Amino acid sequence: GQNIDQPTEMTATEGAIVQINCTYQTSGFNGLFWYQQHAGEAPTFLSYNVLDGLEEKGRFSSFLSRSKGYSYLLLKELQMKDSASYLCAVMDSNYQLIWGAGTKLIIKP
Amino acid sequence: GAVVSQHPSRVICKSGTSVKIECRSLDFQATTMFWYRQFPKQSLMLMATSNEGSKATYEQGVEKDKFLINHASLTLSTLTVTSAHPEDSSFYICSARDGTSGDTGELFFGEGSRLTVL
Repeated sequence: GQNIDQPTEMTATEGAIVQINCTYQTSGFNGLFWYQQHAGEAPTFLSYNVLDGLEEKGRFSSFLSRSKGYSYLLLKELQMKDSASYLCAVMDSNYQLIWGAGTKLIIKP
Repeated sequence: GAVVSQHPSRVICKSGTSVKIECRSLDFQATTMFWYRQFPKQSLMLMATSNEGSKATYEQGVEKDKFLINHASLTLSTLTVTSAHPEDSSFYICSARDGTSGDTGELFFGEGSRLTVL
């Protein structure tokens, strides 16, 4: 079956760096997405990786290894507003998005 | 960037009534829109894929007669929850992909609609 695994919850300190991992097993692969979702709100797009390597976008970076079925989202210089859930999603061979359950990130002062 | 507008953001209704939720792509044409349901502290659950001008494709376990989806134009899809019951209370989110970006284009989300059925 298809499966996306990411930690349920993580805690980090304001100003620090945190890495949120995502492993996947899907039928085919057409890219991996990271979304940020604040409580009670819809997800917002953070990144899209389809080739191996690191994509950097400001304080956020996303890494992909297709051979390992692995991705991570790296958040630098953490701010309190970064407290949210981070969803990993993989697009399968049918171009359907398979969603992870999300990682709740708690930022402490 | 592209914007998807969803309305209403919150709705409270009585059991047995029907509720319609609209999803509009404001600055792009969306040949395909997706409807999700999300329970508290859980991931998004895809309910159906809505294609402009054709019938929606429902995921297994989703009642098509209860959750009516209409995608009448390239910028509008609607989800109607018919004869709503308290167990239908949830957060419903639509998303759309810019048709010019192909199947791998970024997925834009509406703001979500929180439905509470009394």
